[in-house]
Amino acid sequence: GQQLNQSPQSMFIQEGEDVSMNCTSSSIFNTWLWYKQDPGEGPVLLIALYKAGELTSNGRLTAQFGITRKDSFLNISASIPSDVGIYFCAGNGNQFYFGTGTSLTVIP
Amino acid sequence: GAVVSQHPSRVICKSGTSVKIECRSLDFQATTMFWYRQFPKKSLMLMATSNEGSKATYEQGVEKDKFLINHASLTLSTLTVTSAHPEDSSFYICSARAGQGYEQYFGPGTRLTVT
Repeated sequence: GQQLNQSPQSMFIQEGEDVSMNCTSSSIFNTWLWYKQDPGEGPVLLIALYKAGELTSNGRLTAQFGITRKDSFLNISASIPSDVGIYFCAGNGNQFYFGTGTSLTVIP
Repeated sequence: GAVVSQHPSRVICKSGTSVKIECRSLDFQATTMFWYRQFPKKSLMLMATSNEGSKATYEQGVEKDKFLINHASLTLSTLTVTSAHPEDSSFYICSARAGQGYEQYFGPGTRLTVT
């Protein structure tokens, strides 16, 4: 099925830096979800967004549901080594779609 | 809350044999469960969607006779890879959704290696 486009594909950052990644779709979504996957594990739900314009935080993570309902953003502030992993966005329109993933590496 | 388990976490089997993977929602009732396959450094590919008590809906290109899915109860779905071949080696992940909610909660995955 359709996959959402995430960018960047990968990021290498210094510990303490802030991180921004985004997800775009050609379709309108009703829900946006952000997941983190560690190597060899299943994705873990970080944040769920339910309406356009919504801004939601979970600790150092903040995500926004784009006003056009076709995009979403995830920001991580003051990154730490355990933030390393692959971040996936997912969206619900008439179906559930998964993003292509953003691989994050944090250099201590 | 919203914990999903998978068993086994790793399995190695010989070519031609069948392997069953279980997916359980531990603290909620999952009306819908999903099975994904993930290749290294790739995103998750949806294989099929199963609703409790009914036949699974398979994505295009996924052989339903090869990947048998059973969702017999609100807390258990199974995926059986029949007559496995080396190209079936992959990371298989299930997820579960409660009621009409949008969130999917994922299991820890099963690494299948077919020799």
